[in-house]
Amino acid sequence: DAGVTQSPTHLIKTRGQHVTLRCSPISGHKSVSWYQQVLGQGPQFIFQYYEKEERGRGNFPDRFSARQFPNYSSELNVNALLLGDSALYLCASSRDSGANVLTFGAGSRLTVL
Amino acid sequence: QQQVKQSPQSLIVQKGGISIINCAYENTAFDYFPWYQQFPGKGPALLIAIRPDVSEKKEGRFTISFNKSAKQFSLHIMDSQPGDSATYFCAASIGTSGSARQLTFGSGTQLTVLP
Repeated sequence: DAGVTQSPTHLIKTRGQHVTLRCSPISGHKSVSWYQQVLGQGPQFIFQYYEKEERGRGNFPDRFSARQFPNYSSELNVNALLLGDSALYLCASSRDSGANVLTFGAGSRLTVL
Repeated sequence: QQQVKQSPQSLIVQKGGISIINCAYENTAFDYFPWYQQFPGKGPALLIAIRPDVSEKKEGRFTISFNKSAKQFSLHIMDSQPGDSATYFCAASIGTSGSARQLTFGSGTQLTVLP
């Protein structure tokens, strides 16, 4: 079975641009979470979606948004990019919103110049 | 109150030695404490996890020790191998019915096991 797949793997943007990151969860998993991992730090929770509804949001500005599609895939959007948005963006899937076990993808490495 | 503090930042151990990584938390509502292992270019992978009603959990060479009164937990890697060289993250979360289980991660420990 395929794991959590994320695209793109790497991308470079300039300040002020917007970016869309995509995630496909493990087959059968209905919940997707997004985390931001700045270099040298632990991942920080951004969003969780379950059955296309937002079930949790971390302490991130409104420039960050996400959605989940009927096939349970998800995308994370970041508008008006800042240098500080440079990070590895991780997607994790789980069977439901309260599941203990999260399976992470390899992430999308975003560099903002 | 949501912080999880992890130490040391980096650790170098000889092959066959014991690696010990420590974490401390403040929020007593946390009810699930996983450890994740991350290799360069990969996402974190669940290694082992414990609930606060258990003082120790062992899976192969990996053991979690949990001290509820001190609000501390640690990961012990016995017989450390060069293949264990990775970054290790402790985490904690609160389970709430109908709501997201959000993981609060520590800052990570970069483990190097020398051959």
